[in-house]
Amino acid sequence: EAGVAQSPRYKIIEKRQSVAFWCNPISGHATLYWYQQILGQGPKLLIQFQNNGVVDDSQLPKDRFSAERLKGVDSTLKIQPAKLEDSAVYLCASSRAVGTSGLMGNIQYFGAGTRLSVL
Amino acid sequence: SQQGEEDPQALSIQEGENATMNCSYKTSINNLQWYRQNSGRGLVHLILIRSNEREKHSGRLRVTLDTSKKSSSLLITASRAADTASYFCATGQGAQKLVFGQGTRLTINP
Repeated sequence: EAGVAQSPRYKIIEKRQSVAFWCNPISGHATLYWYQQILGQGPKLLIQFQNNGVVDDSQLPKDRFSAERLKGVDSTLKIQPAKLEDSAVYLCASSRAVGTSGLMGNIQYFGAGTRLSVL
Repeated sequence: SQQGEEDPQALSIQEGENATMNCSYKTSINNLQWYRQNSGRGLVHLILIRSNEREKHSGRLRVTLDTSKKSSSLLITASRAADTASYFCATGQGAQKLVFGQGTRLTINP
C-alpha cells in the first residue's frame, strides 16, 4: 500500500508570513494526526482527526495554527502568522480505526515530514 | 507534554554489540510502542507491547515492560550500521493517542 504523502518537503519563510502543509494518509485510514517535532525532541501531537471530526486539539496553538480534514481523507495544516519558534519538522501520521478498547493499541504510519524554517 | 523519558539520550557502540535503551513514563497506559527515525525521515513502527504483557520479541528486537515501575526497555541484538537512528518510545493513552518521549540517538560504529 502507498504510504503517507506529505508536501512540501521543505519550506523557508520569514516570520509573520503564512504557510500551509498538506497530507494524504494511507487509503482507508480513518485517523489522521499532525505532529510538531522540534530538533532533538520527540514528536508532539498538535491535532488528531477521526474521519473529518477533531478528536484532540488540546496542544494546537489555535491563535495561529489551524487544520482541516473536510472530506475525511487528506488534510491541511496552516500557520498564520509564523513565529521563529515554529521552526520544526511537521509530521503527518495515519492509523486504522480500531475498537474503543485502547488495549488493542494503534500503529501509526508516518510521512517523511515537512521541514519548516522561519527566518 | 512529553510522557516518556528515554535513557540514555545518546548511545554509541561497535557493530555487533547489543544496544539497550530504556523508557520511563508517568501515567497508566494501554500499551507502549517503540519507533525508529532515520535522519530526515518519518518514524517507523518497530514493536508494540500491551500493558498486560511483560516481554515481546521481533527479530533482533526484545522489548520488556514493567508496569509497576512504569518502565520499558528495548534491546537490539547484534547491531548493524543500518540500526543507526533515533529510537522513541510512545505510550498509548485512550483509544488511539500516542505520547512520545524525547528519544535515544543510537550510533553504530563499523
